[in-house]
Amino acid sequence: AQSVTQPDIHITVSEGASLELRCNYSYGATPYLFWYVQSPGQGLQLLLKYFSGDTLVQGIKGFEAEFKRSQSSFNLRKPSVHWSDAAEYFCAVGGVTGGGNKLTFGTGTQLKVEL
Amino acid sequence: DAGVIQSPRHEVTEMGQEVTLRCKPISGHDYLFWYRQTMMRGLELLIYFNNNVPIDDSGMPEDRFSAKMPNASFSTLKIQPSEPRDSAVYFCASSKWFSGANVLTFGAGSRLTVL
Repeated sequence: AQSVTQPDIHITVSEGASLELRCNYSYGATPYLFWYVQSPGQGLQLLLKYFSGDTLVQGIKGFEAEFKRSQSSFNLRKPSVHWSDAAEYFCAVGGVTGGGNKLTFGTGTQLKVEL
Repeated sequence: DAGVIQSPRHEVTEMGQEVTLRCKPISGHDYLFWYRQTMMRGLELLIYFNNNVPIDDSGMPEDRFSAKMPNASFSTLKIQPSEPRDSAVYFCASSKWFSGANVLTFGAGSRLTVL
């Protein structure tokens, strides 16, 4: 069965500091990986996705993520955080083998940005 | 495109009442998903449809929950009778199959409170 672990429930960073949110997945085949962001009272918005190819993927709002198969990880990064980045971030996994039709989400990481 | 449209945005009802949540997916998307989000359980997939046909309803918690998709432009999630433990945010998402996976676009959610 596919699963996602986001080990950090809450993270606080100062505005302008760099950010890394961790995501580890379990999947029996080549995974398709996603990061979504949810602002308060809003739905989830896709930040970026990895299907194949270059393991470093660029997304919206200056975010990037790196797929590391050996570590089963897909960590999200941003070099300089803005106050507007405060939100909840969800990692998700899906794929062709039995799970391509649906995504499994992690429990989320709540990001707080200190001014 | 207006995105995925959900209604109502907020619903407060009393235990035992029937609740109907509605969703209009993005035109041209052939998959529709219903998720439930709670603090305790995170994001849970309830059911999804492909071309208006229910494919997997294994996440529907019990017989009190039912979902329909009478056409490509409309879906409902019904809870009858409602219970306080059904209080949650219910998200609808739609997608089009892409390279072996679904890239979901979420609606803003329907926040349900059952008293």
